[in-house]
Amino acid sequence: DAKTTQPPSMDCAEGRAANLPCNHSTISGNEYVYWYRQIHSQGPQYIIHGLKNNETNEMASLIITEDRKSSTLILPHATLRDTAVYYCIVRAMDSNYQLIWGAGTKLIIKP
Amino acid sequence: DAGVIQSPRHEVTEMGQEVTLRCKPISGHDYLFWYRQTMMRGLELLIYFNNNVPIDDSGMPEDRFSAKMPNASFSTLKIQPSEPRDSAVYFCASRRGQGRDEKLFFGSGTQLSVL
Repeated sequence: DAKTTQPPSMDCAEGRAANLPCNHSTISGNEYVYWYRQIHSQGPQYIIHGLKNNETNEMASLIITEDRKSSTLILPHATLRDTAVYYCIVRAMDSNYQLIWGAGTKLIIKP
Repeated sequence: DAGVIQSPRHEVTEMGQEVTLRCKPISGHDYLFWYRQTMMRGLELLIYFNNNVPIDDSGMPEDRFSAKMPNASFSTLKIQPSEPRDSAVYFCASRRGQGRDEKLFFGSGTQLSVL
């Protein structure tokens, strides 16, 4: 079973910030939080990952709470092309490579 | 780099036929993964390789499924005989090494329909 909980769907207006929440209350100290997204008819695409500090790259920002039990992915200026399913995954860096994919959040960007 | 390349993009076959899916990972990547995605079960890891050696095939559903990686630039996933319940999108993914900056790169997938 996936170790994360995400809302099944969300809407966001084009040009606004999209904030996608993820709960991972059982996360272990050595587990990273990863975000991927899957645009319709494409393979999943890596977005960002982090351990405990907030992270930012050209695609998004990742905010992790101090207790690490939840995180938020922020797309600062959502466009129609950001419509996709967003997956939040936790994984220990020293484990064999088993990303457990949940159902994700279907994010719909509206014009 | 062209990214992870999968072929064919679509495959339609009849029950009982052999199906072979192909994958070319990103050059320099030493891990290769095969995933299957369905509406009911989501994205499932079938098998993965490290340096062309199968490491974990516990996700392979049954003996009808087999995967090979004869060299660093090519892998196949074979289903023989195929069944309608094998209909799904099959993704190949690759990554380089193991460490803090792990990122999986996925191909565009093969949409398999078994009639």
